[in-house]
Amino acid sequence: NAGVTQTPKFRVLKTGQSMTLLCAQDMNHEYMYWYRQDPGMGLRLIHYSVGEGTTAKGEVPDGYNVSRLKKQNFLLGLESAAPSQTSVYFCASSYLLAGGTSNEQYFGPGTRLTVT
Amino acid sequence: LAKITQPISMDSYEGQEVNITCSHNNIATNDYITWYQQFPSQGPRFIIQGYKTKVTNEVASLFIPADRKSSTLSLPRVSLSDTAVYYCLVGERSGGGADGLTFGKGTHLIIQP
Repeated sequence: NAGVTQTPKFRVLKTGQSMTLLCAQDMNHEYMYWYRQDPGMGLRLIHYSVGEGTTAKGEVPDGYNVSRLKKQNFLLGLESAAPSQTSVYFCASSYLLAGGTSNEQYFGPGTRLTVT
Repeated sequence: LAKITQPISMDSYEGQEVNITCSHNNIATNDYITWYQQFPSQGPRFIIQGYKTKVTNEVASLFIPADRKSSTLSLPRVSLSDTAVYYCLVGERSGGGADGLTFGKGTHLIIQP
């Protein structure tokens, strides 16, 4: 199994450009997440999905959109990139325990995005 | 959202036991406490999760007092390869959603020979 993969690994955008980050998982997980990681800030949840066709906002959703058309894929879109969106973006997935909860998330390797 | 505080950095030596404490004063009844390890240029990796008292696995132990307002990750006999950033995560992940998940800002653990 490849686990969680992210495409691309690096990207440089100019202010106002758009792009889509792709996350794919082959573990048949129900939950998927997008985080951003900034120096000294830890990981902050952008959006998440509890299943195919569903999405929800996390802590810092402004300026981002997401889609989960297939269970194995979770896309993060930036419609008009801003320098404040320069960050490392991590995707994660997790499984749903029957009758319980789990915070065991499997993370991808990250995408380093620079907006100039 | 839970407010989470953990030390910015810690130093220790090979072979020692290391304890990293996370403070989460406003933890909710349904929240679990989870710890992750992150190496440079990699995604975080799950270490351990607990709700109350003590949990132990092959790499770490997690101690949670009765009031659950803090938790301590214990790494026995650390080695140089344990040098990493350790994150505390508090929140509930159930069928209802995940918007309460909050990561601490991370503790940079440096192990010296």
